[in-house]
Amino acid sequence: KQEVTQIPAALSVPEGENLVLNCSFTDSAIYNLQWFRQDPGKGLTSLLLIQSSQREQTSGRLNASLDKSSGRSTLYIAASQPGDSATYLCAVFGNTGKLIFGQGTTLQVKP
Amino acid sequence: ETGVTQTPRHLVMGMTNKKSLKCEQHLGHNAMYWYKQSAKKPLELMFVYSLEERVENNSVPSRFSPECPNSSHLFLHLHTLQPEDSALYLCASSQERTGLTYNEQFFGPGTRLTVL
Repeated sequence: KQEVTQIPAALSVPEGENLVLNCSFTDSAIYNLQWFRQDPGKGLTSLLLIQSSQREQTSGRLNASLDKSSGRSTLYIAASQPGDSATYLCAVFGNTGKLIFGQGTTLQVKP
Repeated sequence: ETGVTQTPRHLVMGMTNKKSLKCEQHLGHNAMYWYKQSAKKPLELMFVYSLEERVENNSVPSRFSPECPNSSHLFLHLHTLQPEDSALYLCASSQERTGLTYNEQFFGPGTRLTVL
Protein backbone atom coordinates (compact mmCIF):
# COMPACT_ATOMS: atom_id res chain seq x y z
CA LYS A 1 0.00 0.00 0.00
CA GLN A 2 1.40 3.38 -1.03
CA GLU A 3 2.09 5.78 1.84
CA VAL A 4 3.31 9.34 1.50
CA THR A 5 5.13 11.10 4.33
CA GLN A 6 6.07 14.74 4.55
CA ILE A 7 8.70 16.09 6.89
CA PRO A 8 8.67 18.40 8.71
CA ALA A 9 5.00 18.78 9.63
CA ALA A 10 5.55 22.47 10.34
CA LEU A 11 8.29 24.95 9.60
CA SER A 12 8.83 28.58 10.57
CA VAL A 13 11.54 30.64 8.88
CA PRO A 14 12.47 34.32 8.57
CA GLU A 15 11.81 36.04 5.29
CA GLY A 16 14.53 35.62 2.68
CA GLU A 17 15.64 32.13 3.66
CA ASN A 18 15.96 29.32 1.17
CA LEU A 19 14.18 26.20 2.38
CA VAL A 20 13.53 22.58 1.49
CA LEU A 21 10.38 20.56 2.06
CA ASN A 22 10.62 16.79 1.95
CA CYS A 23 8.28 14.12 0.65
CA SER A 24 8.85 10.37 0.71
CA PHE A 25 6.76 7.52 -0.68
CA THR A 26 6.94 3.81 -0.01
CA ASP A 27 6.17 2.41 -3.48
CA SER A 28 8.54 3.69 -6.15
CA ALA A 29 6.27 2.51 -8.98
CA ILE A 30 4.69 5.92 -9.54
CA TYR A 31 3.70 7.65 -12.77
CA ASN A 32 4.06 11.17 -11.47
CA LEU A 33 4.35 13.33 -8.36
CA GLN A 34 2.65 16.64 -7.78
CA TRP A 35 3.19 19.45 -5.28
CA PHE A 36 0.22 21.53 -4.21
CA ARG A 37 -0.24 24.62 -2.09
CA GLN A 38 -3.21 25.03 0.24
CA ASP A 39 -4.05 28.29 1.97
CA PRO A 40 -6.03 28.07 5.25
CA GLY A 41 -9.57 26.82 4.64
CA LYS A 42 -9.07 26.85 0.90
CA GLY A 43 -8.71 24.38 -1.93
CA LEU A 44 -5.52 23.12 -3.53
CA THR A 45 -3.46 24.97 -6.10
CA SER A 46 -1.09 22.91 -8.23
CA LEU A 47 2.50 24.13 -8.09
CA LEU A 48 4.57 21.57 -9.96
CA LEU A 49 3.89 18.24 -11.67
CA ILE A 50 6.83 15.89 -12.24
CA GLN A 51 6.45 12.94 -14.58
CA SER A 52 8.17 9.72 -13.55
CA SER A 53 10.70 10.11 -16.36
CA GLN A 54 11.74 13.57 -15.15
CA ARG A 55 14.19 14.49 -12.42
CA GLU A 56 12.98 18.00 -11.67
CA GLN A 57 10.64 20.82 -12.55
CA THR A 58 11.02 24.54 -11.96
CA SER A 59 8.56 27.40 -11.70
CA GLY A 60 9.84 30.78 -10.61
CA ARG A 61 11.35 30.46 -7.13
CA LEU A 62 10.17 26.85 -6.81
CA ASN A 63 12.13 23.78 -7.80
CA ALA A 64 10.91 20.24 -7.26
CA SER A 65 13.10 17.19 -7.65
CA LEU A 66 12.17 13.53 -7.92
CA ASP A 67 14.25 10.47 -7.12
CA LYS A 68 11.99 7.52 -7.85
CA SER A 69 14.47 4.84 -6.88
CA SER A 70 14.82 6.20 -3.35
CA GLY A 71 11.17 7.22 -3.08
CA ARG A 72 11.87 10.88 -2.42
CA SER A 73 10.99 14.32 -3.65
CA THR A 74 12.02 17.74 -2.43
CA LEU A 75 10.44 21.14 -2.95
CA TYR A 76 12.99 23.93 -2.83
CA ILE A 77 11.73 27.48 -2.23
CA ALA A 78 14.24 30.22 -2.86
CA ALA A 79 14.22 33.59 -1.10
CA SER A 80 11.07 32.86 0.88
CA GLN A 81 8.44 35.57 1.32
CA PRO A 82 5.55 35.99 3.81
CA GLY A 83 3.17 35.27 0.93
CA ASP A 84 4.65 31.77 0.71
CA SER A 85 3.04 30.93 4.08
CA ALA A 86 0.68 28.02 3.43
CA THR A 87 0.46 24.25 3.68
CA TYR A 88 2.37 22.37 0.99
CA LEU A 89 1.05 18.96 -0.03
CA CYS A 90 2.81 16.25 -1.96
CA ALA A 91 0.81 13.63 -3.88
CA VAL A 92 1.79 10.65 -6.01
CA PHE A 93 -0.12 8.89 -8.77
CA GLY A 94 0.65 5.24 -9.35
CA ASN A 95 -0.89 1.91 -10.10
CA THR A 96 -3.83 2.46 -7.77
CA GLY A 97 -5.13 5.00 -10.28
CA LYS A 98 -5.55 7.50 -7.45
CA LEU A 99 -3.72 10.50 -6.09
CA ILE A 100 -2.23 9.54 -2.70
CA PHE A 101 -1.49 12.55 -0.52
CA GLY A 102 0.87 13.26 2.31
CA GLN A 103 -0.29 15.14 5.40
CA GLY A 104 1.46 18.31 4.34
CA THR A 105 4.04 20.72 5.68
CA THR A 106 2.69 23.97 7.13
CA LEU A 107 5.09 26.78 6.37
CA GLN A 108 5.20 30.15 8.09
CA VAL A 109 7.50 32.83 6.71
CA LYS A 110 7.96 35.68 9.17
CA PRO A 111 8.57 39.24 7.93
CA GLU B 1 -17.26 31.89 -12.82
CA THR B 2 -14.16 29.99 -13.76
CA GLY B 3 -12.52 26.80 -12.58
CA VAL B 4 -14.21 24.71 -9.93
CA THR B 5 -16.71 26.27 -7.55
CA GLN B 6 -18.30 24.82 -4.42
CA THR B 7 -21.30 25.90 -2.36
CA PRO B 8 -21.83 26.48 0.43
CA ARG B 9 -18.38 27.41 1.67
CA HIS B 10 -19.36 26.74 5.27
CA LEU B 11 -22.07 24.48 6.67
CA VAL B 12 -23.11 23.66 10.22
CA MET B 13 -25.62 20.87 10.66
CA GLY B 14 -27.08 18.67 13.34
CA MET B 15 -26.83 14.91 13.24
CA THR B 16 -30.44 14.53 12.14
CA ASN B 17 -30.33 17.11 9.34
CA LYS B 18 -30.22 16.47 5.60
CA LYS B 19 -28.09 18.80 3.53
CA SER B 20 -26.32 18.80 0.18
CA LEU B 21 -22.97 20.08 -1.02
CA LYS B 22 -22.71 21.33 -4.57
CA CYS B 23 -19.77 21.43 -6.94
CA GLU B 24 -19.68 22.95 -10.41
CA GLN B 25 -16.81 22.91 -12.89
CA HIS B 26 -16.49 25.35 -15.78
CA LEU B 27 -13.53 23.62 -17.44
CA GLY B 28 -15.32 21.27 -19.82
CA HIS B 29 -14.01 18.25 -17.93
CA ASN B 30 -15.54 14.78 -17.93
CA ALA B 31 -14.45 13.49 -14.52
CA MET B 32 -15.27 14.79 -11.05
CA TYR B 33 -14.12 13.78 -7.58
CA TRP B 34 -15.07 14.20 -3.92
CA TYR B 35 -12.30 14.26 -1.31
CA LYS B 36 -12.46 14.53 2.48
CA GLN B 37 -9.79 16.41 4.40
CA SER B 38 -9.92 15.87 8.16
CA ALA B 39 -7.68 17.64 10.62
CA LYS B 40 -4.19 16.14 10.74
CA LYS B 41 -5.01 13.49 8.11
CA PRO B 42 -4.17 13.28 4.41
CA LEU B 43 -6.82 13.96 1.80
CA GLU B 44 -8.97 10.88 1.27
CA LEU B 45 -10.65 10.13 -2.03
CA MET B 46 -14.34 9.41 -1.52
CA PHE B 47 -15.99 9.14 -4.95
CA VAL B 48 -15.08 9.44 -8.61
CA TYR B 49 -17.44 10.08 -11.50
CA SER B 50 -16.52 9.73 -15.13
CA LEU B 51 -19.03 10.87 -17.76
CA GLU B 52 -21.69 11.00 -15.03
CA GLU B 53 -21.10 7.40 -14.03
CA ARG B 54 -19.71 6.51 -10.61
CA VAL B 55 -16.48 4.62 -11.17
CA GLU B 56 -15.09 4.61 -7.66
CA ASN B 57 -16.52 4.43 -4.16
CA ASN B 58 -13.85 4.13 -1.53
CA SER B 59 -15.78 2.37 1.23
CA VAL B 60 -17.65 5.54 2.12
CA PRO B 61 -20.54 5.15 4.59
CA SER B 62 -24.01 5.29 3.06
CA ARG B 63 -24.81 8.48 4.97
CA PHE B 64 -22.84 10.15 2.15
CA SER B 65 -24.67 9.89 -1.18
CA PRO B 66 -23.14 11.39 -4.33
CA GLU B 67 -25.04 12.48 -7.41
CA CYS B 68 -23.72 13.57 -10.79
CA PRO B 69 -26.61 14.77 -13.00
CA ASN B 70 -24.27 15.97 -15.77
CA SER B 71 -20.56 16.36 -16.37
CA SER B 72 -20.50 19.90 -14.94
CA HIS B 73 -22.26 19.29 -11.63
CA LEU B 74 -21.59 17.06 -8.67
CA PHE B 75 -23.51 16.84 -5.42
CA LEU B 76 -22.85 15.19 -2.10
CA HIS B 77 -26.03 14.52 -0.16
CA LEU B 78 -25.57 14.26 3.59
CA HIS B 79 -27.90 12.48 5.98
CA THR B 80 -27.56 11.46 9.64
CA LEU B 81 -23.95 12.49 9.91
CA GLN B 82 -21.69 12.02 12.91
CA PRO B 83 -19.45 14.63 14.57
CA GLU B 84 -16.39 12.79 13.18
CA ASP B 85 -17.65 13.65 9.69
CA SER B 86 -16.71 17.27 10.35
CA ALA B 87 -14.06 18.11 7.76
CA LEU B 88 -13.23 20.11 4.66
CA TYR B 89 -14.89 18.50 1.63
CA LEU B 90 -13.09 19.20 -1.61
CA CYS B 91 -14.34 18.71 -5.12
CA ALA B 92 -12.00 18.30 -8.09
CA SER B 93 -12.32 17.74 -11.80
CA SER B 94 -10.09 16.44 -14.58
CA GLN B 95 -10.33 16.17 -18.34
CA GLU B 96 -10.81 12.43 -18.22
CA ARG B 97 -10.47 9.61 -15.74
CA THR B 98 -8.79 6.87 -17.74
CA GLY B 99 -7.34 4.14 -15.59
CA LEU B 100 -3.63 4.58 -15.03
CA THR B 101 -3.17 7.66 -17.18
CA TYR B 102 -2.96 10.69 -14.92
CA ASN B 103 -5.22 13.56 -15.85
CA GLU B 104 -4.35 16.63 -13.79
CA GLN B 105 -6.98 17.41 -11.20
CA PHE B 106 -8.19 20.92 -10.48
CA PHE B 107 -9.63 21.58 -7.04
CA GLY B 108 -12.42 23.77 -5.75
CA PRO B 109 -12.15 25.87 -2.57
CA GLY B 110 -13.96 23.31 -0.43
CA THR B 111 -16.92 23.27 1.95
CA ARG B 112 -16.06 23.43 5.64
CA LEU B 113 -18.60 21.12 7.31
CA THR B 114 -19.24 21.06 11.04
CA VAL B 115 -21.55 18.39 12.47
CA LEU B 116 -22.90 19.15 15.94
